[in-house]
Amino acid sequence: QVQLVESGGGVVQPGRSLRLSCAASEFTFSGYAMHWVRQAPGKGLEWVAVISYDGSNKYYAGSVKGRFTISRDSSKNTLYLQMSSLRAEDTAVYYCARARTGTDAFDIWGQGTMVTVSS
Amino acid sequence: DIQMTQSPSSLSASVGDRVTITCQASHDISNYLNWYQQKPGKAPKLLIYDASNLEMGVPSRFSGSGSGTDFTFTISSLQPEDIATYYCQQYDNLPTFGGGTKVEIK
Repeated sequence: QVQLVESGGGVVQPGRSLRLSCAASEFTFSGYAMHWVRQAPGKGLEWVAVISYDGSNKYYAGSVKGRFTISRDSSKNTLYLQMSSLRAEDTAVYYCARARTGTDAFDIWGQGTMVTVSS
Repeated sequence: DIQMTQSPSSLSASVGDRVTITCQASHDISNYLNWYQQKPGKAPKLLIYDASNLEMGVPSRFSGSGSGTDFTFTISSLQPEDIATYYCQQYDNLPTFGGGTKVEIK
């Protein structure tokens, strides 16, 4: 079935880098904009970044701009989030989500991957 | 950035009650507003898109209304399986979420 599966989370020291992956299956990955959304422990949802269907446009939340990079590889049906200069406040579950064309409604979500930034 | 003010932050209601959650945008966002349900330990699930359109497969007791800056999400008859946190999300500009409403059974 239509599915997104994140991987790459873990424990990382402040200032270090980590790359998250999101593997898409059973839909035409190259036809959809894709987003990353995060949720700190016990907190609400925070939008992180978006990449257009063809990778030509990328936008970031102010809290991660200049430190995180979103990318995609349509040959591998995979979305990425390269995170650098990580801070304690980046600790969260990171979800990838598909944006329905024309509405930016997040209609398909991955199960999430936990990132813990701690020394 | 467009700020989304969601209220209440939590509520307690009885099974069968009508539950209403509101979301106010800091700027006019037309109908660019979605609603999600999140159960503990799970990813969010899309319930309502474009302010009032019910996502396929979602029970009809869920509904949404509003446009501009003021939006309402309603559960017409609360069921035990509706225990969750609900979020609004605007997409007029870069997406932002409301703070969430935790719904509990009284």
